[in-house]
Amino acid sequence: DQQVKQNSPSLSVQEGRISILNCDYTNSMFDYFLWYKKYPAEGPTFLISISSIKDKNEDGRFTVFLNKSAKHLSLHIVPSQPGDSAVYFCAASEGNSGGSNYKLTFGKGTLLTVNP
Amino acid sequence: SQTIHQWPATLVQPVGSPLSLECTVEGTSNPNLYWYRQAAGRGLQLLFYSVGIGQISSEVPQNLSASRPQDRQFILSSKKLLLSDSGFYLCAWDPGLSNTGELFFGEGSRLTVL
Repeated sequence: DQQVKQNSPSLSVQEGRISILNCDYTNSMFDYFLWYKKYPAEGPTFLISISSIKDKNEDGRFTVFLNKSAKHLSLHIVPSQPGDSAVYFCAASEGNSGGSNYKLTFGKGTLLTVNP
Repeated sequence: SQTIHQWPATLVQPVGSPLSLECTVEGTSNPNLYWYRQAAGRGLQLLFYSVGIGQISSEVPQNLSASRPQDRQFILSSKKLLLSDSGFYLCAWDPGLSNTGELFFGEGSRLTVL
């Protein structure tokens, strides 16, 4: 049973436009959500996160929105740049109480291609 | 600054052969350490995590094992590889008590079992 779902395996957008990557989850105990970016043959790198007590977190061109009632989050990239082309993983954890190990549950990822 | 290294980067092994992937973290102490695997068409699956020397928790039953002989060293092993063990293996760490919820990943090790 997949607790974190990224139903779009790929997304293609034009440079300068908005990229919206979606993620759904089923475990209501998840209280912390993260997005990771991964280039081929490299490890994922942290992009942005959001706690369940918030519904929006913004960092430069990246904004993550959380809709707890719908168990849905999305990552917006505005404006999209060719260097943003990568696989984006949504991840979630429960029990973000500090001092705990963080067993992140990841989605399958969405391949974003930003065309010049 | 903290760094994480894992090796080898690429490995091609026959079925039934042993495996040893190593991971070390520098610039921190008492990290939580993790092994993840990304199989073809799948997300990142947590295999093992460790909160201290000699303390290993397994998330899924499998043909693999992990060990933490030193504070900043994490080893993934197998006595006899299966075809299904092929994948991209990622070591990761977090700083434990001061964690913000973010994991830091290594460069990954691509294992192909033939």
